[in-house]
Amino acid sequence: DTAVSQTPKYLVTQMGNDKSIKCEQNLGHDTMYWYKQDSKKFLKIMFSYNNKELIINETVPNRFSPKSPDKAHLNLHINSLELGDSAVYFCASSQSSVTYEQYFGPGTRLTVT
Amino acid sequence: AQTVTQSQPEMSVQEAETVTLSCTYDTSESDYYLFWYKQPPSRQMILVIRQEAYKQQNATENRFSVNFQKAAKSFSLKISDSQLGDAAMYFCAYRGGWSGTASKLTFGTGTRLQVTL
Repeated sequence: DTAVSQTPKYLVTQMGNDKSIKCEQNLGHDTMYWYKQDSKKFLKIMFSYNNKELIINETVPNRFSPKSPDKAHLNLHINSLELGDSAVYFCASSQSSVTYEQYFGPGTRLTVT
Repeated sequence: AQTVTQSQPEMSVQEAETVTLSCTYDTSESDYYLFWYKQPPSRQMILVIRQEAYKQQNATENRFSVNFQKAAKSFSLKISDSQLGDAAMYFCAYRGGWSGTASKLTFGTGTRLQVTL
């Protein structure tokens, strides 16, 4: 069983489109995260939810909107996609916002053309 | 804000040899955690080893060990008996010791490790 899954794994789309990436964890964890890895492999936190409540919201364009329908899911919606949004997006989860170990999903490679 | 620095963009090691990857960090916190993650070409992020700042003993996981120097804010990873499967990007990461906003991981820029025959 996959602990943290993301769909899709690859996403190719045109500038201006709106797209969503879904994340699900079956570990029973309370806290979920979105990280962005750019073309130079640099990883940076975007958002975090704890028990469906937003606890981390880094400096991210408001075209990015996370949504957590329940503790097991954290989706990322991106409006008006731009070329600079091309990156790998990782979802992760931890048992709580206190627990130090984070489990990562396989990543979604987003390519904006 | 916390920062993590990996000064070696690329390293190379021969199979069966030992290699050390460097990491330094900057923080004003006294309670925190440090990690090394491995990212192979499959791009999956794999936790290699972790160190709690309050522990003086260096963490060890099989062939992987760290040299944690708290005063110097240094956290290096030593890989012994290197194997071809160790070839990957290695990221050093920092996490604050508190909950909430401190729970995020702050990553270094990574070191690409090549393993040669």
